[in-house]
Amino acid sequence: EIVLTQSPGTLSLSPGERATLSCRASQYVSSSYLAWYQQKAGQAPRLLIYGASSRATGISGRFSGSGSGTDFTLTISRLEPEDFAVYYCQQYGGSSPWTFGQGTKVEIK
Amino acid sequence: EVQLVQSGAEVKKPGESLKISCKGSGYNFATYWIGWVRQTPGKGLEWMGMVYPDDSDTRYSPSFQGQVTFSVDKSISTAYLQWSSLKASDSAMYYCARRGGGISSWSFDYWGQGTLVTVSS
Repeated sequence: EIVLTQSPGTLSLSPGERATLSCRASQYVSSSYLAWYQQKAGQAPRLLIYGASSRATGISGRFSGSGSGTDFTLTISRLEPEDFAVYYCQQYGGSSPWTFGQGTKVEIK
Repeated sequence: EVQLVQSGAEVKKPGESLKISCKGSGYNFATYWIGWVRQTPGKGLEWMGMVYPDDSDTRYSPSFQGQVTFSVDKSISTAYLQWSSLKASDSAMYYCARRGGGISSWSFDYWGQGTLVTVSS
């Protein structure tokens, strides 16, 4: 089973700042198989990025994904008030279980 | 508009059985996998497995194999997650989610609102 480790655990930033979130895999993950989700308190996760870098339908251009192999990044270019939330990466496991990272909380500084 | 609507919160005792539901609308329910995801404060998001409504093909995570059962009734566009004997450790939020199609097949593109299950004596 592939383990995804996200860092940092918490990111304290101000609106307008840039957020850079990391997701590291315990073994190789095809870029096609890496996704990012946003979860706000009391809500279900929402797909932001699939295929490591493709934005899901309706997702703002502030969000971008990059990376390959074992290192992936989610960048929020300029934080808006609605962007403060928890972010998860997820990989498709193929014949193994799909797995999620433990999450990065982006909080208002 | 694609929607997944889950059944309401449940409070059960250990040893009781439970079946929760997830009703899809706004798309061809039969041709997209439905996944189930457990969320707890301690373990975060966990993929439990998936079911394909058209033929009821199922995939279980080894962690949940034998512990839960997935089923579907495609005539009413509804997927189910059930337990035969609940434990306190089954207390969690459970989400159903649609596996995407095409190039987004390796992610969940729509999610239900979640069903909170509480198991306590």
